[in-house]
Amino acid sequence: SAVISQKPSRDICQRGTSLTIQCQVDSQVTMMFWYRQQPGQSLTLIATANQGSEATYESGFVIDKFPISRPNLTFSTLTVSNMSPEDSSIYLCSVEGRGRGTEAFFGQGTRLTVV
Amino acid sequence: DAKTTQPPSMDCAEGRAANLPCNHSTISGNEYVYWYRQIHSQGPQYIIHGLKNNETNEMASLIITEDRKSSTLILPHATLRDTAVYYCIVRVFGNEKLTFGTGTRLTIIP
Repeated sequence: SAVISQKPSRDICQRGTSLTIQCQVDSQVTMMFWYRQQPGQSLTLIATANQGSEATYESGFVIDKFPISRPNLTFSTLTVSNMSPEDSSIYLCSVEGRGRGTEAFFGQGTRLTVV
Repeated sequence: DAKTTQPPSMDCAEGRAANLPCNHSTISGNEYVYWYRQIHSQGPQYIIHGLKNNETNEMASLIITEDRKSSTLILPHATLRDTAVYYCIVRVFGNEKLTFGTGTRLTIIP
C-alpha cells in the first residue's frame, strides 16, 4: 500500500488569491493524479503528473488555472490560481499501487472554500 | 473506458448482506471492473476488482455475469462503518486513470 499525505487538509481563501496543495507519498511512484470533487458530486480527474515532464490535463482543465509541479518521485503540488467561489471543492491526490493495473490510493483530500 | 450505471441509493440492515449492482453493457474484452468506496470526508478506498471470474477478498465479493455486462458487489455482513458511496469503475488494465460515475450511496441501518 501507499500512504499519501496532503496539506493543507482544509482552507478558506479569498477570491482572486491562489492556493498550493501539497501531496507527499511514502514511496516512489511514476504517476500521480489530481482529482476535484465539487460539493455533492463525484470525482473528476484534473491532470496526471509525471516526474520530469509537464502534467497532462483533462478536457476542461488548463495549466494556467491549475499549475502542477512534480519535482521528484514522491512529491507533487497542485495550485488553484485566481480562485473564485466556483473553485470550492475537495481536491484529492492519488497514486497507483505497486504494479500496473492494481488499485489506486488516495489522500484524504484538501477541502477548499473560496469566499 | 466503458460507462457504468448504478442505482443512486440503497439501504441495508446491519448484519445483512449488501448487494450493490452495476451495469456496464458496453464493456470491452480487455476492461476490468473495479469497485471503490468513499466514506464521508475521506478519499476513495479500493475494494476489489475482476475481469470475468468471481473474486473475493477480506472486504467483499465481486460477482460478474457470464456476458460481463453487469456485476454485483457483495458486502457479506454489513456494518454501520460500511455506510459510504460505492463506485463501480470499468477500465483497461494498465490505464491508471479512473473515471468515476455517480456511484451508489449505501446506508446501513441499525
